Amino acid sequence: GEDVEQSLFLSVREGDSSVINCTYTDSSSTYLYWYKQEPGAGLQLLTYIFSNMDMKQDQRLTVLLNKKDKHLSLRIADTQTGDSAIYFCAESICGVTGGGNKLTFGTGTQLKVEL
Amino acid sequence: DAMVIQNPRYQVTQFGKPVTLSCSQTLNHNVMYWYQQKSSQAPKLLFHYYDKDFNNEADTPDNFQSRRPNTSFCFLDIRSPGLGDAAMYLCATSRDQGPQETQYFGPGTRLLVL
Repeated sequence: GEDVEQSLFLSVREGDSSVINCTYTDSSSTYLYWYKQEPGAGLQLLTYIFSNMDMKQDQRLTVLLNKKDKHLSLRIADTQTGDSAIYFCAESICGVTGGGNKLTFGTGTQLKVEL
Repeated sequence: DAMVIQNPRYQVTQFGKPVTLSCSQTLNHNVMYWYQQKSSQAPKLLFHYYDKDFNNEADTPDNFQSRRPNTSFCFLDIRSPGLGDAAMYLCATSRDQGPQETQYFGPGTRLLVL
């Protein structure tokens, strides 16, 4: 079955690194995504990783993927107050009826950045 | 700028009164999706269109319908909104099918049912 889990809250000090974790269960996932959602807003794509990769870096963001443990993490370096938001990981499921690209989202992690 | 637009941003309706939410895109993407996101929960896919082909999720209630009159527009119709349908409704698009196709989201419409 499809189940994506994240811890609910994370609090860090400005300037520190944040690490947001995610576990997923569907072994057929091929792409894994990280989205950011600010209060009252839609979802902003941050980055994604293909399942044959272990790591992807994009400026302050580093994604690590452990396929054996089905564990995904997002590291934000030098966290700023503007990074305060909810972060969703999502897995992309193959073989969706009728095509398309079904994303199954995690529960979301609320990141709070304190001064 | 190419984008996904949702109108209105906030919608208030009465219990049982039909309501329509709108989504438009300037990306010329083939696929359009509707997600429901209840408070403090993850977005949940309701259905999607690949071009004119409609694909409903198995657990989407019959109360929810969708129309896609052309490539640019997609509508979500709630025939008889209940209190439990109060949520953020997110529209998304992707260029084509397949897990490698990134989904781009609109800002969402928050629906309140009185």
